[in-house]
Amino acid sequence: RKEVEQDPGPFNVPEGATVAFNCTYSNSASQSFFWYRQDCRKEPKLLMSVYSSGNEDGRFTAQLNRASQYISLLIRDSKLSDSATYLCVSRGRDTGRRALTFGSGTRLQVQP
Amino acid sequence: EAGVAQSPRYKIIEKRQSVAFWCNPISGHATLYWYQQILGQGPKLLIQFQNNGVVDDSQLPKDRFSAERLKGVDSTLKIQPAKLEDSAVYLCASSLVGGSNYGYTFGSGTRLTVV
Repeated sequence: RKEVEQDPGPFNVPEGATVAFNCTYSNSASQSFFWYRQDCRKEPKLLMSVYSSGNEDGRFTAQLNRASQYISLLIRDSKLSDSATYLCVSRGRDTGRRALTFGSGTRLQVQP
Repeated sequence: EAGVAQSPRYKIIEKRQSVAFWCNPISGHATLYWYQQILGQGPKLLIQFQNNGVVDDSQLPKDRFSAERLKGVDSTLKIQPAKLEDSAVYLCASSLVGGSNYGYTFGSGTRLTVV
């Protein structure tokens, strides 16, 4: 079983739509969680961190449910520029080994 | 601030040949990571350095992959001999002291094709 699992999509949505991505993680020792965005043939870039209390950044809202080991990302009012692959990411508790563990990504295509 | 520099951007080699990739992290970043990203998958950690010491190389195929970070700055990743399944993008990332996500930055990657 993969440590971080995501629906690969693709999600094809019209401009202005609201779309939600989900992710589950298997390592209960994971401490920190993030969503990264990766454009085609580009490197991953941090979109936002994910907290149990939920956090919002403009049109993006992320939520963590530790009991269910579940992470979500909600995008409101989708723009063409939101088309990308969204990677769900966890990081362990061990302060020495803080590498990121990535899911396989969910591809989003926003259509005009 | 200059980002994480990687070279070359692209490399095509035949199977069983050798190849090396180079990474220069952001100045002052003590932690350096090499990830492998196969098409359609997320990046997978190969090796993590803290200064010039190896912190985690549990997922590095040591029979063919090697990496070093001399003087705790630049790093090279080598594959010898390459296999078809090594075709991937090799991403280097760096961060401040390993426990911080602040400044965790990826380079543009080296796209390797093994034919």
